[in-house]
Amino acid sequence: DTEVTQTPKHLVMGMTNKKSLKCEQHMGHRAMYWYKQKAKKPPELMFVYSYEKLSINESVPSRFSPECPNSSLLNLHLHALQPEDSALYLCASSQDRTPNTGELFFGEGSRLTVL
Amino acid sequence: AQSVTQLDSHVSVSEGTPVLLRCNYSSSYSPSLFWYVQHPNKGLQLLLKYTSAATLVKGINGFEAEFKKSETSFHLTKPSAHMSDAAEYFCVVGRFMDTGRRALTFGSGTRLQVQP
Repeated sequence: DTEVTQTPKHLVMGMTNKKSLKCEQHMGHRAMYWYKQKAKKPPELMFVYSYEKLSINESVPSRFSPECPNSSLLNLHLHALQPEDSALYLCASSQDRTPNTGELFFGEGSRLTVL
Repeated sequence: AQSVTQLDSHVSVSEGTPVLLRCNYSSSYSPSLFWYVQHPNKGLQLLLKYTSAATLVKGINGFEAEFKKSETSFHLTKPSAHMSDAAEYFCVVGRFMDTGRRALTFGSGTRLQVQP
């Protein structure tokens, strides 16, 4: 069982909708991440939060808006998405604030379909 | 700059035979290297990691990998494949983005198929 919980597991939305993906971890990790994974492709980093502050934004379009309300929660707000944004969105966390050395713990993902 | 290349997009083995998944990396400094596994419709799970300690790293489920600096390789092996090993495997290198900012770079993945 994963210790990183993502909700919802599946989401279908229209291009004019506003929705949010949620991620929660209770391992005391202080770094949290959003990755996007297209079918048959590796995950691509979107955002990194370290100590609840945004430390990395991989030039993600503004229709994706991350939020870290506290050290256990990470949200990804979605607005005016495009069909090409359909993908598996993975949340991860790590204890180490230097992510290149620390193990990442992944959730099972939220599969997003944009119609 | 750091990068990672998985040499095989697809590997098929018979149950009970050895597994070899190949990974080469490029790094301008001593890297951190990882292997992750992803079963269908699941998140990623860490199999093992190398962080400049022992060059032979043992992981979960009988997997191990050897860091070879001279060959810039970090191949994943298992002596005997099990049906439950069928999954996508990612080789990952820790990388610097700029001063003080670091992240992981994923290889393109290798799909392991295990035949009965």
